[in-house]
Amino acid sequence: NAGVTQTPKFQVLKTGQSMTLQCAQDMNHNSMYWYRQDPGMGLRLIYYSASEGTTDKGEVPNGYNVSRLNKREFSLRLESAAPSQTSVYFCATPVSVYGETQYFGPGTRLLVL
Amino acid sequence: SQKIEQNSEALNIQEGKTATLTCNYTNYSPAYLQWYRQDPGRGPVFLLLIRENEKEKRKERLKVTFDTTLKQSLFHITASQPADSATYLCALDGGATNKLIFGTGTLLAVQP
Repeated sequence: NAGVTQTPKFQVLKTGQSMTLQCAQDMNHNSMYWYRQDPGMGLRLIYYSASEGTTDKGEVPNGYNVSRLNKREFSLRLESAAPSQTSVYFCATPVSVYGETQYFGPGTRLLVL
Repeated sequence: SQKIEQNSEALNIQEGKTATLTCNYTNYSPAYLQWYRQDPGRGPVFLLLIRENEKEKRKERLKVTFDTTLKQSLFHITASQPADSATYLCALDGGATNKLIFGTGTLLAVQP
């Protein structure tokens, strides 16, 4: 039972490059979330998925796309990376039966030069 | 829009003392409020959830209060230890689909 796994752990990109951040969970919950965390800004929701096949925008979706491949996997794609997307990205899924508390992955640290 | 404020300054206390962290919010009436702990280089870890109809919740050395009139939650760690040093995040329910709205966190440093 790994909980939530994220790959890669760390990535350096040049401006304009693209990449996909992967997230997988074995908590068997329908909902999954992508956050970014920046100094002084806290965790901000980028996109979320309430169930397989559905995705919705969060607070800061611009510059990102997501795919809910199946119940386990929720990927975040940067089509053309910008320095403003330098951040730490966390994936999360609910823990409790009611879905109120969230279990976070270890994060992906992204540096865009 | 909803706004959550946590003290951005680090809180430094001596081992054995009680640490008290504050979370204030505006423009919202959350159904519940949560506290998470985050260590450097790691994802947040859930600690406690308190609902709008609860005044206080305890778990071992942790205590959370929730004052919906003041729009404030206090997070207490009694008999603090250096191992309690971390950043503590406050989060409010974001309505449908169990989205959460996070504060910026407060860094707690417990000195031996």
